[in-house]
Amino acid sequence: AQSVTQLDSHVSVSEGTPVLLRCNYSSSYSPSLFWYVQHPNKGLQLLLKYTSAATLVKGINGFEAEFKKSETSFHLTKPSAHMSDAAEYFCVVSLPNAGKSTFGDGTTLTVKP
Amino acid sequence: GAVVSQHPSRVICKSGTSVKIECRSLDFQATTMFWYRQFPKKSLMLMATSNEGSKATYEQGVEKDKFLINHASLTLSTLTVTSAHPEDSSFYICSARGQLNNEQFFGPGTRLTVL
Repeated sequence: AQSVTQLDSHVSVSEGTPVLLRCNYSSSYSPSLFWYVQHPNKGLQLLLKYTSAATLVKGINGFEAEFKKSETSFHLTKPSAHMSDAAEYFCVVSLPNAGKSTFGDGTTLTVKP
Repeated sequence: GAVVSQHPSRVICKSGTSVKIECRSLDFQATTMFWYRQFPKKSLMLMATSNEGSKATYEQGVEKDKFLINHASLTLSTLTVTSAHPEDSSFYICSARGQLNNEQFFGPGTRLTVL
């Protein structure tokens, strides 16, 4: 079984300040972990993924995430928020060769000028 | 990266009619395709998983006779919403996974509005 919990439903930051979106997971096996971003009325875009290689994963648009097995966490960070980062973010867990993925409930990121 | 398309992007239909949504993997062969439904300000809910050439596996609570899924080829899956009602109005997103890794590639979504 697998599950994922996004600890914050809403995060609000000022432009130019750091972003932290938190995600905890549970999995019986070594999971693959993903962060996706969704802008209003759009599909999902992959930001980054962890698939048992380096624990610090760098993604697009300056985002990165660190896989911490001891904490079962995969938090998403960005050093400096941009207005265009305002969107919905989903943390996703899946097992290798599994048939399906499990989505977190999402975190809405608001960026204030 | 791999590209998945959906058609149409938006559809408005009358109650009682059927609507077909297509999901295509444009530059890779998708052995598995997934159909999700997303309610406003909510996460994605997996409806069904389909493997090419076999019947779809539906999640609990999803009516297989209402949401018909066909995965006839390695690049095309279709979702047909039969006898649509206003409560079927939603954002439907497909994703496709190839043979090589565990990554899913998502389509841009289809906004269905049933009047």
